[in-house]
Amino acid sequence: AQSVSQHNHHVILSEAASLELGCNYSYGGTVNLFWYVQYPGQHLQLLLKYFSGDPLVKGIKGFEAEFIKSKFSFNLRKPSVQWSDTAEYFCAVYGLGSGGGADGLTFGKGTHLIIQP
Amino acid sequence: GAVVSQHPSWVICKSGTSVKIECRSLDFQATTMFWYRQFPKQSLMLMATSNEGSKATYEQGVEKDKFLINHASLTLSTLTVTSAHPEDSSFYICSARARPSSQLAQYIYNEQFFGPGTRLTVL
Repeated sequence: AQSVSQHNHHVILSEAASLELGCNYSYGGTVNLFWYVQYPGQHLQLLLKYFSGDPLVKGIKGFEAEFIKSKFSFNLRKPSVQWSDTAEYFCAVYGLGSGGGADGLTFGKGTHLIIQP
Repeated sequence: GAVVSQHPSWVICKSGTSVKIECRSLDFQATTMFWYRQFPKQSLMLMATSNEGSKATYEQGVEKDKFLINHASLTLSTLTVTSAHPEDSSFYICSARARPSSQLAQYIYNEQFFGPGTRLTVL
């Protein structure tokens, strides 16, 4: 079974600061990796995803993430955050071949990001 | 494309009653749908995997007799919370995975599309 660890539970930044949210996963095989964002009162939205190929993936709203296989990591970055980035961010993993019957995504506990004006 | 809807978006019910939540894939066929639960300020926890035409597979600790899942068609899965109690109050989110097709790249098959969620409050 896979697991996901997000190290930062709460992050507070000022506008224009750079952001990096950590995500590490545990799974021995091939993985699909995702970052989702949940704005206050809204549903999950996909920020970006990694399936294969270039380990540096770019998503919406200026976010990017880098898959480092040797470190089992998929950290989310943004060079300059905005107040509107205040939200909950979830890292998720799908382990190929892990399925059996129940093979949904495994989510990290989330990081609550607050951007101060 | 790849829109998933849930109905209702919120529901309040009395303790002991049953509540049905629908999850629909609007513009694609979903052989597999997933049901998650999210408590306030917490992450999503997978409850069960619903495969069209077969019984759902439940995660450990999830009571299958309490959370009835039916996946009657390629675009609809329902979650019924039976004899609801206040501790069942939560945010229930479904997701759908597209039907495998030779015309779809594998990556599209593996991606899940999430519904907007249903807020259940049991009094």
